[in-house]
Amino acid sequence: QQQVRQSPQSLTVWEGETTILNCSYEDSTFDYFPWYRQFPGKSPALLIAISLVSNKKEDGRFTIFFNKREKKLSLHITDSQPGDSATYFCADTGGLSGKLTFGEGTQVTVIS
Amino acid sequence: AQTIHQWPVAEIKAVGSPLSLGCTIKGKSSPNLYWYWQATGGTLQQLFYSITVGQVESVVQLNLSASRPKDDQFILSTEKLLLSHSGFYLCAWSPGQGRVFFGKGTRLTVV
Repeated sequence: QQQVRQSPQSLTVWEGETTILNCSYEDSTFDYFPWYRQFPGKSPALLIAISLVSNKKEDGRFTIFFNKREKKLSLHITDSQPGDSATYFCADTGGLSGKLTFGEGTQVTVIS
Repeated sequence: AQTIHQWPVAEIKAVGSPLSLGCTIKGKSSPNLYWYWQATGGTLQQLFYSITVGQVESVVQLNLSASRPKDDQFILSTEKLLLSHSGFYLCAWSPGQGRVFFGKGTRLTVV
């Protein structure tokens, strides 16, 4: 089964700092890597995604960096805010069926 | 716009009792539908997916079953609950390319 690994398991940052989340995968059967954000007690929501043809995807304070050779991605959250406190999941798509394999998630806490 | 509705919002059930969770999606014909399960503090595990009425594929065995009786409806059920079934159940749909949109979920506590 496809493995998606995330690190760290949890981290705490100060408001205004850059949060860096890591994700690695084995072999992707598709070419699209989404990140989801889940607030406590809520369902996950798509945050940002990158395709294999790109090395970087930016959306406001959120940026994905993609190292295809090493099969690693990182999500950077600049100017982190307390409202960014959530669990972040990266996922690997599994083809046309829409199967998603999620990582274990990284719980982020931003303190002011 | 597409909307996805799950019911019930929460359930407390006894071990050995039956369970039925429902999901409907409006605003999208023939959607790909999914059931996910999340243990408290855990990752998201896909349980079932369905690309058309009457057709359901199982991804992982958890002594649960799923059915798609209508184009816009997806049902998750079991005849006998286990303690390990406790968690957060999420129905979702996908327009493709790894984009998945989740319902608000059902929180199940088995006692």
